[in-house]
Order: sequence, then structure tokens, then C-alpha cells
Amino acid sequence: EVQLVESGGGLVNPGGSLRLSCAASGFTFSSYSMNWVRQAPGKGLEWVSSISSSSSYIYYVDSVKGRFTISRDNAKNSLYLQMNSLRAEDTAVYYCARDLTMGDPSPAYWGQGTLVTVSS
Amino acid sequence: QSALTQPASVSGSPGQSITISCTGTSSDVGGYNYVSWYQQHPGKAPKLMIYDVSKRPSGVSNRFSGSKSGNTASLTISGLQAEDEADYYCSSYSTSSTWVFGGGTKLTVL
Repeated sequence: EVQLVESGGGLVNPGGSLRLSCAASGFTFSSYSMNWVRQAPGKGLEWVSSISSSSSYIYYVDSVKGRFTISRDNAKNSLYLQMNSLRAEDTAVYYCARDLTMGDPSPAYWGQGTLVTVSS
Repeated sequence: QSALTQPASVSGSPGQSITISCTGTSSDVGGYNYVSWYQQHPGKAPKLMIYDVSKRPSGVSNRFSGSKSGNTASLTISGLQAEDEADYYCSSYSTSSTWVFGGGTKLTVL
């Protein structure tokens, strides 16, 4: 069974940093691309970033470019999101999501999310 | 990277059918067959209901179906049931290998 468990969320001051983690199990982590998707309180979903299986390809939504860094450690079956220069508008539940198959990039399996609150 | 356009809300009675539209551009919905639909109940993670425009993951009821015409995708739910009441989001692969989501549609089962 595919399992994704996010951690690392919390309360941070504007301008601060936070590192999110996503622990994966139940599948061969190194074979799949992964994504981060966020949802502000009471709002819709927003794709944030994706990383290919070998970290060769990395993409970001424009609003986080230069501030967020996605990475992965295939030996540890873990996905990360380093978030710097945080703003109030980054407040959201952050989900990690796995692609459907090795050939289909549709985000299919989701964790339960971790809440990031940016406030003074 | 503009959001896809969905109606804010739709409603239907048990047993009826409803359709939710999702309008994008030729850079996303119209340009790729990677359109997905997600169901989200309050406080829960999104659940994939339709992928690749019209395919259903294993375990998803065949009451859920998807289609696409030009820059607009649609999700149809037939034989509405109380447990279908939820928020529904469309998403599409987009240029520069990014993804874009719709604003979400709240489905109310009357």
C-alpha cells in the first residue's frame, strides 16, 4: 500500500525558513516522480513543485521560484521542500503526492498534509 | 500558470446526474490529455477520481466519468449519492512541465 507521511510544518515568522519532509513507503520510491501541492485555508489546490525520479528535472510554480527548493533522498525514501523567505501567502496545508505510474505524471497518491502557518 | 475555471458550486438530488466543467487554454487542458479530477471531503486529502481525461483508477465507481472537448474538460457524476457531496478539483498538465488546478467546485446533494 502506498503511504506518504508529511512532517515539518508549524508556525514561522514572515521571512523565516522551514523544511518539510515526506516519508514514502509501500512502493519503489526511486522509480517515481514526486510533487508538492498546497492548499491555503478555505482555498483551492495549488501545485508547488515536482521532481523527477533521479532529481534530473525540477519544476516550480512562479510564486515560489528562488525561495523554495525541492529535493529527494532515494536511499531514505524521502522527499523534501526547503522553504525560505516565507510570506503570509505561503500559509497552507502542504501535501506530497506521487505520480500515478512511471509513465503517467498525474499526481495520484497523496499524503495527509502538514500545516504551515506564516505569521508574526 | 493561471488557474483553470470551474463553477463555484453545483447541486443535484439523489439519483440525478450532474456535470462539472473545467475550462483552460490550449496551453493546458486543450494541449494535453493529462486532465485529472479529484474529490476532497472536509479535512481530508484529495482523492484521484479521473485521470488522463476519462480513465478511472481502480476502486472508483463507474458513476464517475470524464471527457474533454477543446479547452474544456468535464466530470459527470451519475446516480448521485449522499457521499458524493464534496469539493471537486480539476487539474491539467501545462507548458513548462507544470501543473495547474481549477478553483474547485462544491457539490451539494440536496
